Amino acid sequence: EAQVTQNPRYLITVTGKKLTVTCSQNMNHEYMSWYRQDPGLGLRQIYYSMNVEVTDKGDVPEGYKVSRKEKRNFPLILESPSPNQTSLYFCASSLNPTAGETQYFGPGTRLLVL
Amino acid sequence: GENVEQHPSTLSVQEGDSAVIKCTYSDSASNYFPWYKQELGKRPQLIIDIRSNVGEKKDQRIAVTLNKTAKHFSLHITETQPEDSAVYFCAASKSNFGNEKLTFGTGTRLTIIP
Repeated sequence: EAQVTQNPRYLITVTGKKLTVTCSQNMNHEYMSWYRQDPGLGLRQIYYSMNVEVTDKGDVPEGYKVSRKEKRNFPLILESPSPNQTSLYFCASSLNPTAGETQYFGPGTRLLVL
Repeated sequence: GENVEQHPSTLSVQEGDSAVIKCTYSDSASNYFPWYKQELGKRPQLIIDIRSNVGEKKDQRIAVTLNKTAKHFSLHITETQPEDSAVYFCAASKSNFGNEKLTFGTGTRLTIIP
């Protein structure tokens, strides 16, 4: 089954404690992306990756890191989480999202930073 | 960078009537405009998209129109049904190789009244 998976689905942590949210897709997609969703602000792109070892900043990259060492995985790293990073995070993948190829979203990770 | 504004933020429509959601964008170079539907507690899903070389696209009860001169695009849902109740997001992107950043609107919560 074609899918995008994220782990963990729910996470409560404290300020400053490094964490990683994993994202994996089994569709051989070249494009992967991370978004955060906050009430009233919609979906905001954090980082995206066009292919292995190619990443670029989205609209809200501050406080986040990503890596793309292999095509299927695109982890999101919060080196020193802060309460303003409390949010719902979605990973997504696509063959090419702006060429009309559907962007598939993962189930979401709800993060609470105390 | 690109800025996408979406209106209204909430919309209630009687079942069977039509619903229209409007978005404006700031970057005249943007050339790809997808719409996503997010049901409560679920992930966003692409429902329709349009490229800048066409003015309108239809898929059954859903249509999208684009006015490049005015830099706005709209989602039209006809003969609305209860299952159309969801949050809808528009987005805009410049499709250039190596630059596939998607900027989303803030969302419209559509409620269909039975």
